[in-house]
Amino acid sequence: KAGVTQTPRYLIKTRGQQVTLSCSPISGHRSVSWYQQTPGQGLQFLFEYFSETQRNKGNFPGRFSGRQFSNSRSEMNVSTLELGDSALYLCASSLVRSRDNEQFFGPGTRLTVL
Amino acid sequence: QQQVKQSPQSLIVQKGGISIINCAYENTAFDYFPWYQQFPGKGPALLIAIRPDVSEKKEGRFTISFNKSAKQFSLHIMDSQPGDSATYFCAATGVFGQGTRLTINP
Repeated sequence: KAGVTQTPRYLIKTRGQQVTLSCSPISGHRSVSWYQQTPGQGLQFLFEYFSETQRNKGNFPGRFSGRQFSNSRSEMNVSTLELGDSALYLCASSLVRSRDNEQFFGPGTRLTVL
Repeated sequence: QQQVKQSPQSLIVQKGGISIINCAYENTAFDYFPWYQQFPGKGPALLIAIRPDVSEKKEGRFTISFNKSAKQFSLHIMDSQPGDSATYFCAATGVFGQGTRLTINP
């Protein structure tokens, strides 16, 4: 069974630009969650999508948005990039809702904002 | 409150020793407590998890101890090996701790 895939793996953008990250969950998984990982801050929850609906949202500004498609693939968008958005963005999928079930993480997208 | 506090931030243990990482949570509604292991360049992977109806769970060299009244849980790695060197994250119902970088010296 293929794992969670994320594209691209690395991305360099400049301040003010926008970026879209993609995540393909494990086949059959309906929940996709996104996390921002930075040194010292650990994993900060961005949002969770389940059956194409956002079910839960973390404490991030509205510049961070996402969506999920009918095949469970998900995209995350960050508009008006800031230097502080440089981070590893992780996507995780789970069979059902993620909060009390095992999550399977992808390798992440390393975003650098210059 | 939604925080999960994890300590220590970094830990160095000699090969064969016991590694102990602690986490504390605040929300009594949390009911799923996993530990994830992350190697450089990889995403976190589930190591072991516990639900609040038991106080301890052991899988091989890895043990979770859970204290519901104190709202604390910990990961114990027995006979720590250099291959255990990684970053460990605790979580409580979807809320992650800040991570612990564990180094096992040979």
